[in-house]
Amino acid sequence: EAGVVQSPRYKIIEKKQPVAFWCNPISGHNTLYWYLQNLGQGPELLIRYENEEAVDDSQLPKDRFSAERLKGVDSTLKIQPAELGDSAVYLCASSLGQGVTDTQYFGPGTRLTVL
Amino acid sequence: QQPVQSPQAVILREGEDAVINCSSSKALYSVHWYRQKHGEAPVFLMILLKGGEQKGHDKISASFNEKKQQSSLYLTASQLSYSGTYFCINRGSGAGSYQLTFGKGTKLSVIP
Repeated sequence: EAGVVQSPRYKIIEKKQPVAFWCNPISGHNTLYWYLQNLGQGPELLIRYENEEAVDDSQLPKDRFSAERLKGVDSTLKIQPAELGDSAVYLCASSLGQGVTDTQYFGPGTRLTVL
Repeated sequence: QQPVQSPQAVILREGEDAVINCSSSKALYSVHWYRQKHGEAPVFLMILLKGGEQKGHDKISASFNEKKQQSSLYLTASQLSYSGTYFCINRGSGAGSYQLTFGKGTKLSVIP
């Protein structure tokens, strides 16, 4: 069974440029998560989807970040415009969404460098 | 609230044991443990549920003390492959129980 797929794996852009990350979750997983991970820190949740609905986007900086999950499968996370402080690893995870025993499976992440 | 992990880092020789602790200021229903190797995605290890038994995975086991709101991860006879950063995630039992908060992690280095 294929795992969570993310692309690109690496992205280098100049500040003020837009950037987008793509995630394809494990087949059948209704819940999808986007995390931001800074060097030496634990992942921080940006947004959680249940099917097409963003059920928790309280930590998403909405002035520059946006996300969508059309048809409840693939998802895209966008930053526009990017700032130097956005340099980090962006992780996507998916799960079946079955309560407190729910297990998340992570993709390899996209490492973003903003120059 | 972010769970607090200790120690922040530990260096072991192969075959030695280690304990990693995770504590929370809020009532917990479950604790999840993940391991992340350098440059890779976090990988699920195990879930500890409120009222559940101690879990085990090869020579890695964990316990969950609901009253103290703490979980501990036990690594026995460590192997080089155990190196990585270990994270716990707290799942609360009340309002906002779906809140997913990673600890800052414990960096474990196993040396020959």
